[in-house]
Amino acid sequence: AQKVTQAQTEISVVEKEDVTLDCVYETRDTTYYLFWYKQPPSGELVFLIRRNSFDEQNEISGRYSWNFQKSTSSFNFTITASQVVDSAVYFCALGRGAGNMLTFGGGTRLMVKP
Amino acid sequence: GAVVSQHPSRVICKSGTSVKIECRSLDFQATTMFWYRQFPKQSLMLMATSNEGSKATYEQGVEKDKFLINHASLTLSTLTVTSAHPEDSSFYICSARAEGGSYNEQFFGPGTRLTVL
Repeated sequence: AQKVTQAQTEISVVEKEDVTLDCVYETRDTTYYLFWYKQPPSGELVFLIRRNSFDEQNEISGRYSWNFQKSTSSFNFTITASQVVDSAVYFCALGRGAGNMLTFGGGTRLMVKP
Repeated sequence: GAVVSQHPSRVICKSGTSVKIECRSLDFQATTMFWYRQFPKQSLMLMATSNEGSKATYEQGVEKDKFLINHASLTLSTLTVTSAHPEDSSFYICSARAEGGSYNEQFFGPGTRLTVL
């Protein structure tokens, strides 16, 4: 069985603070994919990143960075210098393949205050 | 990028009526589409996997007679909520898998918010 845990249900920060969203996953598969999505109030899921299990390199995209640690089954997401527009619910997800059904974590609601 | 649309984006209906939600892949063919449900302030839960030309595969606990899925073409899957009740009020999101050789990726639709009065 696959499982994704996002222990932080809500995080509140002040603009320009850095914030890290945690994601821990469980799977018996040796090949799998990890994702992060952003869900603003409109509800539409915004794809942020996909990472396969063989690529443990950390990634940086602008103010976003991701830390994949297979040894601890974690795929954490950091927003540097947060902005009000970052306020949303963020979901971490796990899939057997990039195009396969996803198991989502419970989500973390991020509130960035001005 | 690949685009997936859903129609309607929002629907309000009376208890006991049926509601059909369409999921379309606009610029690619999708042999597989997924239907997720998201209750307020909760996560997305997979309801069923829709395969073109065959019966959908439902997740445990999802009533196949209540949530009818039809995937009649490579670009369209429909979810019909039959005899809807207030507890069916939710956000329904579909995703479509784009395939090509060893590559496959899924793209999410914008979601349909269903409110049953």
